Parts: sequence; structure tokens; C-alpha cells
Amino acid sequence: EVQLVESGGGLVQPGGSLRLSCAASGFTFSDHYMDWVRQAPGKGLEWVGRTRNKANSYTTEYAASVKGRFTISRDDSKNSLYLQMNSLKTEDTAVYYCAREPSYSGLAVRMDVWGQGTTVTVSS
Amino acid sequence: DIQMTQSPSSVSASVGDRVTITCRASQGISSWLAWYQQKPGKAPKLLIYAASSLQSGVPSRFSGSGSGTDFTLTISSLQPEDFATYYCQQANSFLALTFGGGTKVEIK
Repeated sequence: EVQLVESGGGLVQPGGSLRLSCAASGFTFSDHYMDWVRQAPGKGLEWVGRTRNKANSYTTEYAASVKGRFTISRDDSKNSLYLQMNSLKTEDTAVYYCAREPSYSGLAVRMDVWGQGTTVTVSS
Repeated sequence: DIQMTQSPSSVSASVGDRVTITCRASQGISSWLAWYQQKPGKAPKLLIYAASSLQSGVPSRFSGSGSGTDFTLTISSLQPEDFATYYCQQANSFLALTFGGGTKVEIK
């Protein structure tokens, strides 16, 4: 079964750091670009960023709202995706989802497999 | 960044109704648009990609159309399990993906 499972969420104070993990199974993780998407309470979806695969040099992109504070990385040997979040703000409070992009999707970028999400609360 | 505007923000409909949701891009995005369905407390589910391609396993009552700046998602005959929130997502600028604000489909 193709599956993504996030972990690492919790309560953190403003200015603090947190590292989220996403464990992949049931597919060849190393072939795929991977994304993080978040959803603040009662709000819509917000793309956070992505990492490409090894064939594309593991390059990353980020939303303007998190650029310079968040870092996406991956460990293909562990089938795992990570989101390092630093200098957290109250507005970063959200459910964070990891998601897979289909391999060879070209310009038709979309996310076809999603995890169940992990909740991050930034509050003093 | 490319902005995505969905309308309406909510719609009330009955089982069996035809429902149409619109998504407008702030600049042309060719056909690089996807649609997702999200139910409360659940992760989003991919319905449509490349504006009109049906994701595997998605019922054929869902369809997408459009290109350039204007896109639609149509549910031809609303079923009880279709009551959810729907989001569009542009993929033209693959350096920065953006979602629309969402459209909630509610029971009339």
C-alpha cells in the first residue's frame, strides 16, 4: 500500500524550531518529487515547498512565507522527507501534510498521494 | 506569484444536482491546473490534473475544463459523498505552486 506518515508535530513557542518527518512506503521514494503543504485552522491549503529527486539534484523551492526559515530535505536511504522549521511564528500554526508528485509528471504538477497530516501549534 | 480565485466560496446543492465550480488564474497558466477534494479532518484527494484529466479511481461524474485563465470543475450528479471542500491548484509556475481559496459544497 502506498503510504505517507507524518510525525514530529507539537506545541512550540514563537521563535522556536521543530523538525517534521514523513515516512514513505509502498513506492520507490527516490523517484519522486515531494512536497509539504499546510492548512491553518479553518483555512485553505497553502503550499510550503518541495524537493526534487536525485536526478534533479535534490533542488528545492519554497513559498515566500517560509523562505529562509524552513528547509526541506530528504533521505532516500530511509524513504523519508523532512521539514526543518526555524524562527517559528504564530501564523505557522497549521496541519502540515507531506505529499508525493507523480514521477514524470512534467509540467502537469500535482500531488497524488498525501499523508494524514501532523499538527504544529506555535504559541506562548 | 500566480493568484488563484475560486467562486463561489460556498454552494448549497441537493443530491442529483449538477454543480459547477470556477477557478480563475491571475495570469495564463495554459492547462496546468489540478483539482482536489477535501473532507473535514482528512487529507486532500486529487481529482483532476492538467485541467481535464481524471485521476485514476475518481468517478466519471467529476470533470474539468478550461485553459489560460478560466477553469471549471463540474460534478454532473452530486452524490452524498461529494459534500466536501474543493480546491484548485496551479502548476504553471512550478517554482511556486498556489491553491485557490476553496469552495465548500454543502447540503441544501
